[in-house]
Amino acid sequence: DTGVSQDPRHKITKRGQNVTFRCDPISEHNRLYWYRQTLGQGPEFLTYFQNEAQLEKSRLLSDRFSAERPKGSFSTLEIQRTEQGDSAMYLCASSPPRVREAKNIQYFGAGTRLSVL
Amino acid sequence: GENVEQHPSTLSVQEGDSAVIKCTYSDSASNYFPWYKQELGKGPQLIIDIRSNVGEKKDQRIAVTLNKTAKHFSLHITETQPEDSAVYFCAASPGNTGNQFYFGTGTSLTVIP
Repeated sequence: DTGVSQDPRHKITKRGQNVTFRCDPISEHNRLYWYRQTLGQGPEFLTYFQNEAQLEKSRLLSDRFSAERPKGSFSTLEIQRTEQGDSAMYLCASSPPRVREAKNIQYFGAGTRLSVL
Repeated sequence: GENVEQHPSTLSVQEGDSAVIKCTYSDSASNYFPWYKQELGKGPQLIIDIRSNVGEKKDQRIAVTLNKTAKHFSLHITETQPEDSAVYFCAASPGNTGNQFYFGTGTSLTVIP
């Protein structure tokens, strides 16, 4: 399967613990996005990388959240001192390099479901 | 920023009937409108999309229409089948002014055999 891969699929943690998720984009996709999805809602944008540069961050991304993409390939999303309100599905998406006038198609992974107890 | 509204939140149809889901957006700069299907426990899967320079696009049983003036777009599924049952999300993208998608709140479609 050459789609977007996310690991782990599920994570249960206690409040106050740190968690880290990994996303492997589709090969040769230089653009990578993180979204958060709560029950009954659509995905909400968190942050965007082009290669290794983090170019956009949502106000949803509090200082407890940090994302990295050190070599422009896989990305990690870390949440420090987790709170119950962090419980959600964390989705990763990737896009191929932007070409003038091309559509901004985003391909999503299956997500990591986080439960904070 | 962009605000996308989606209706209805739930929709039940008999197998073989048509289903229509409607979305509105607020930012006239948005120029790309994808539709995603999400099954339980899976990530969103792109099913069809439309750009702002096109009014209608069709792919087999699925079609999307766009009214730029009114800022609304719709998903039409004809001859529905039980495997069409899922949650459907519309989204809007501001194109060159940004990279994120703004999603609607989703429509849970149930096709009754």
